[in-house]
Amino acid sequence: AQKITQTQPGMFVQEKEAVTLDCTYDTSDQSYGLFWYKQPSSGEMIFLIYQGSYDEQNATEGRYSLNFQKARKSANLVISASQLGDSAMYFCAMRRWDGGATNKLIFGTGTLLAVQP
Amino acid sequence: GAVVSQHPSRVICKSGTSVKIECRSLDFQATTMFWYRQFPKQSLMLMATSNEGSKATYEQGVEKDKFLINHASLTLSTLTVTSAHPEDSSFYICSAIRPPGAPYNEQFFGPGTRLTVL
Repeated sequence: AQKITQTQPGMFVQEKEAVTLDCTYDTSDQSYGLFWYKQPSSGEMIFLIYQGSYDEQNATEGRYSLNFQKARKSANLVISASQLGDSAMYFCAMRRWDGGATNKLIFGTGTLLAVQP
Repeated sequence: GAVVSQHPSRVICKSGTSVKIECRSLDFQATTMFWYRQFPKQSLMLMATSNEGSKATYEQGVEKDKFLINHASLTLSTLTVTSAHPEDSSFYICSAIRPPGAPYNEQFFGPGTRLTVL
């Protein structure tokens, strides 16, 4: 069975510092995709970054980077130079690729990040 | 990026009534949409996959007669919570996949609908 695990229910970080949010996954699929989403208190899910299982380089999007360690089945999100607006819930998710018929996402339990001034 | 809207954003209803939630893809056609449910301080749980022109596919444990899904067009899917009860109170979020060619096949999420059943 596929599973996403986020072991940090909550994290504090000082403004302008970097923070790492942990995510491990379990799958027997060879082809899969990993996503990180941000959910502010307003509720909308904001796509941050994507890593494909066959991508050899770690994904980066601005201040976001994904530390992908395939052998360890981890896909940690690194946020550099934290800003107050980064305070939100962060979800790691995995998409199972089944030939394109569906693209279901499995979500972790989330990590609540609080950025302190 | 792609835009997905939901209406209403917030609804309060009496127990026993039915509530319809709309999910629209505003700037693209979506053959597949997804409906999620999120309880407070919990993760998103997939309820069903909505396919344009065919029946929805429900996840295990989701009552299809209670949560009616209709994907009437390539830009609209509706979720109707029938005979709602207080335990149905939750945050309902839809998402849509942009047509082939979009990077990652990522899902674009609507802003969510907060349902409160009294």
